[in-house]
Amino acid sequence: GDSVTQMEGPVTLSEEAFLTINCTYTATGYPSLFWYVQYPGEGLQLLLKATKADDKGSNKGFEATYRKETTSFHLEKGSVQVSDSAVYFCALIRDQTGANNLFFGTGTRLTVIP
Amino acid sequence: GAVVSQHPSRVICKSGTSVKIECRSLDFQATTMFWYRQFPKQSLMLMATSNEGSKATYEQGVEKDKFLINHASLTLSTLTVTSAHPEDSSFYICSAEDRSSYNSPLHFGNGTRLTVT
Repeated sequence: GDSVTQMEGPVTLSEEAFLTINCTYTATGYPSLFWYVQYPGEGLQLLLKATKADDKGSNKGFEATYRKETTSFHLEKGSVQVSDSAVYFCALIRDQTGANNLFFGTGTRLTVIP
Repeated sequence: GAVVSQHPSRVICKSGTSVKIECRSLDFQATTMFWYRQFPKQSLMLMATSNEGSKATYEQGVEKDKFLINHASLTLSTLTVTSAHPEDSSFYICSAEDRSSYNSPLHFGNGTRLTVT
């Protein structure tokens, strides 16, 4: 079945370091891929998305490219800030509607230290 | 691992009736649970944040009298869609926060597909 595998955390980086959080997926058809972020005490927020192969989603300095050949959607940021400390979730949404068309990774906690 | 059970997975109801969706954390205590709604082919929209023993906090534009949330215990939150109408048809998903887990604190239910006829 469909699934998302995400790099386990926690990840601790110094400010201005380069960030990569790996995400790979298994899916039938042509899913849309998402990265969500959860800041402390808050619900999920959509960070970026890509709906077809080779699309690049970007927001707030974060980027992820939909790679169908490697079934990956790795999240990257060139220079992290303390304010980026949060939990990041990779997610897959199938094209078709159904009882369960939404799959999340387990989340990766990022801590950025000054 | 931590599991969140959401029930029912699918429900079809007639317009004007109410539907209750349950979200249970099975092996951890969830002080905070979140309710989301997903529109077709779109991403999640946060509806409300539910804290055990207190009133839910609703996001702007979400009718609190229409979407009643109760979080009476540390393992159960319910969302009741009152007087449902066809425009309420959607996919609803809950998530529960496990504060004892540092690495993976948020766990998701499998969602409920609501169809209002």
